Amino acid sequence: NAGVTQTPKFQVLKTGQSMTLQCAQDMNHEYMSWYRQDPGMGLRLIHYSVGAGITDQGEVPNGYNVSRSTTEDFPLRLLSAAPSQTSVYFCASSLPGPNSPLHFGNGTRLTVT
Amino acid sequence: GQQLNQSPQSMFIQEGEDVSMNCTSSSIFNTWLWYKQDPGEGPVLLIALYKAGELTSNGRLTAQFGITRKDSFLNISASIPSDVGIYFCAGPDYGGATNKLIFGTGTLLAVQP
Repeated sequence: NAGVTQTPKFQVLKTGQSMTLQCAQDMNHEYMSWYRQDPGMGLRLIHYSVGAGITDQGEVPNGYNVSRSTTEDFPLRLLSAAPSQTSVYFCASSLPGPNSPLHFGNGTRLTVT
Repeated sequence: GQQLNQSPQSMFIQEGEDVSMNCTSSSIFNTWLWYKQDPGEGPVLLIALYKAGELTSNGRLTAQFGITRKDSFLNISASIPSDVGIYFCAGPDYGGATNKLIFGTGTLLAVQP
């Protein structure tokens, strides 16, 4: 049972490059979300989705795009990477409802030089 | 927006000691969640609280939902080396979907054998 799978685990980009962080879940969860984790700041929500075809912005959406064409996948795109986007990125999924916990992937560590 | 403040920021304790940490907010939360993040992994849900005044245990962990709905506490009894990690409180953003969580800044716990 894979759960939430994130790829790649590590990535180094130069300023201005673009890339896509992949996230896939095999639990048939409707809800998916992306967080970034920075030292001393906890996890901050970037974008989230409550179902295929539906996405919305979180607390820190600037510089990131998402789409949700299938229930299983929720890729995060950086169109023009900046050093401020150096962070650890976590994807999470859950069923709807307050009693459904988030299941997190193991993260992607991104460095932008 | 809503913010969660955790204290202490870090704790360095001896194996066998009890641990207490708390989370406060300037606004009301209807759900309080406590997550633990092991090194190199994503956060995992430890305890969920849904009612003001609720006290819930999970093994050596006990968490309480504050009466004012603006705070929560997590206690760990008789700590062991595998308790090492970062502990986060979290709650759903007001009026948002249940996967739209706000996270605290985290408490780093180190346990010396």
